[in-house]
Amino acid sequence: AQTVTQSQPEMSVQEAETVTLSCTYDTSESDYYLFWYKQPPSRQMILVIRQEAYKQQNATENRFSVNFQKAAKSFSLKISDSQLGDAAMYFCASLQGGSEKLVFGKGTKLTVNP
Amino acid sequence: DAGVTQSPTHLIKTRGQQVTLRCSPKSGHDTVSWYQQALGQGPQFIFQYYEEEERQRGNFPDRFSGHQFPNYSSELNVNALLLGDSALYLCASSLLLWSYNEQFFGPGTRLTVL
Repeated sequence: AQTVTQSQPEMSVQEAETVTLSCTYDTSESDYYLFWYKQPPSRQMILVIRQEAYKQQNATENRFSVNFQKAAKSFSLKISDSQLGDAAMYFCASLQGGSEKLVFGKGTKLTVNP
Repeated sequence: DAGVTQSPTHLIKTRGQQVTLRCSPKSGHDTVSWYQQALGQGPQFIFQYYEEEERQRGNFPDRFSGHQFPNYSSELNVNALLLGDSALYLCASSLLLWSYNEQFFGPGTRLTVL
């Protein structure tokens, strides 16, 4: 069974600074995907970034990048130049290849201070 | 292009009652997944529907059932409501492919059971 663990219930960052959110996962599968989702107060879950397990290169989407350490089963999210609009709950999730079942961590609440 | 829509936005029920939640997928999508998100937790997979059949199911009792219509919209039914069923119910749609396909989430239905 897949599990996802986020050990930081809350994090805060100053506007324009950089913050890293941590995530570890466990799976016995070789074919899987990892995701970071953002859930603002509006509740709508938005995909931030995706990483295919077979790719060695870390995924990057504008100010968002990941540090994917496959052997350590670690998948952290780095947010650069933090903006007030980045404030939200961030969820790490995994998906086994061929499955539609996303497995989520408990989330990290990110506060951005002006 | 409308994204995933869900109705109603909020719902209040009492223990023992039955509830039906509705979801319309994003245009062009044929698969609908349902998730339960308890307060302070990450979403948990309930089940997924494709071609009007339940394709995959999480660890939820039979009180949770669903349906998918020919137009790909879906309903989630919960019978004999318990206080613990109070949660945000998220619907996600995707296009079933042989490999990874991104799930797009709706804004959710907040269910309160009194």
